[in-house]
Formats: sequence, C-alpha cells, structure tokens
Amino acid sequence: QKEVEQNSGPLSVPEGAIASLNCTYSDRVSQSFFWYRQYSGKSPELIMSIYSNGDKEDGRFTAQLNKASQYVSLLIRDSQPSDSATYLCAVLKTSYDKVIFGPGTSLSVIP
Amino acid sequence: DTAVSQTPKYLVTQMGNDKSIKCEQNLGHDTMYWYKQDSKKFLKIMFSYNNKELIINETVPNRFSPKSPDKAHLNLHINSLELGDSAVYFCASSLVETQYFGPGTRLLVL
Repeated sequence: QKEVEQNSGPLSVPEGAIASLNCTYSDRVSQSFFWYRQYSGKSPELIMSIYSNGDKEDGRFTAQLNKASQYVSLLIRDSQPSDSATYLCAVLKTSYDKVIFGPGTSLSVIP
Repeated sequence: DTAVSQTPKYLVTQMGNDKSIKCEQNLGHDTMYWYKQDSKKFLKIMFSYNNKELIINETVPNRFSPKSPDKAHLNLHINSLELGDSAVYFCASSLVETQYFGPGTRLLVL
C-alpha cells in the first residue's frame, strides 16, 4: 500500500461547481496534513494545512480531516477556471520527519 | 526578492556527463530539501539538510551528492548522468513544516 494515495483524475467540474479532492494515508501516527496546488510547469505552493479532526475553511477552500478513517479531503467551492491545476496531498508524521506527497489529482474546471 | 531560487532553470545534457544544480533561499529557513518530480508528476524527497547537516538521505543512487556550504544554500551534483535522471528537480526550504519550493530545474538527459 502506498503511503499517500489520491485519485489521479483528471477530475472535471463545471465552473461554479464544488470540486472534491480526496486523499488517504497509511501511517496512523501522521500528525500534519497539507494540500499543495501545482500549476502546469510551476512549483507546488501550499494552499491549506490541517492538524486536527474536522473542517478548516479558508475562503473558497475547505480541508476536512478524519484521522480514524485516515482520510483528508479538499473542497473547492465556486470552482473557477483558474483552479485548474494538480492538487497534491502531503502528510507529515512529526516535524522531524519527511513530508510524503501523494501522486496528485489533476483538476480541470470547465468554463 | 525571490524566496527560493534555483539555477539553471533548464539543463539538457548527454548521458555520462556530470552536472550541478544550485539552490539559494533568502527566507532565513534552517531546513532545505531536494525533491525529484518524475514524468508522472510524483514528487519524492531525495535529501534534507538542517543547518548544513544532512538529516534525510533517501534511497538515491550515490551518483547524487548534495552539498550545503551554509544554511542558505543547497547544491546538488550528479555524476554520470543516466536517461532515468530526466525529471524536474525542486529545491525547497522550510522553517517548521510548510515547504517553500523553488521554480524547479528541468533536466533532460539525452
């Protein structure tokens, strides 16, 4: 089993819809969870981090964490064409460990 | 005022050559990293340095040798380049957990 798994996509949603991106991880002791966005030909950039169970909202983005199910998700409300990118889920056990990235989900928002 | 910079941006070279990639960060971070992103976009850590000391050394061929002259710089030297080394190499830095990535170096080995 891979340490961090995501659906590779592509995920296509119409403009204005909610995009839902999912991620599962294998190590139960993982403490910190991140969503990075990577535009084609660019470097990843952090959009959300989450550390405790529940929801965390930032503008149009909501990260959801369920440690019992070892599941992290990212919801993007009112999706815009500019949200079209690859979204990387990343997991960290402790601050002194390496960050493990998932394979990424490609999102395409159709105008 | 670029936070994490890398040079060169593109590198095209022949198999068997030796090449270096340089990275500098002006964020004052203690930890720097090298990541490799292959053609399937899978981002995988190679090395991590904290205050010039190697703290993470993944299963990477010993043809790859990182060097950190000071905590703001982390260079990557690759000997005897192989076709499979073709990828995008990202440098990153962090203060605690958030990774700040450089623009990447696109390496193509012919």
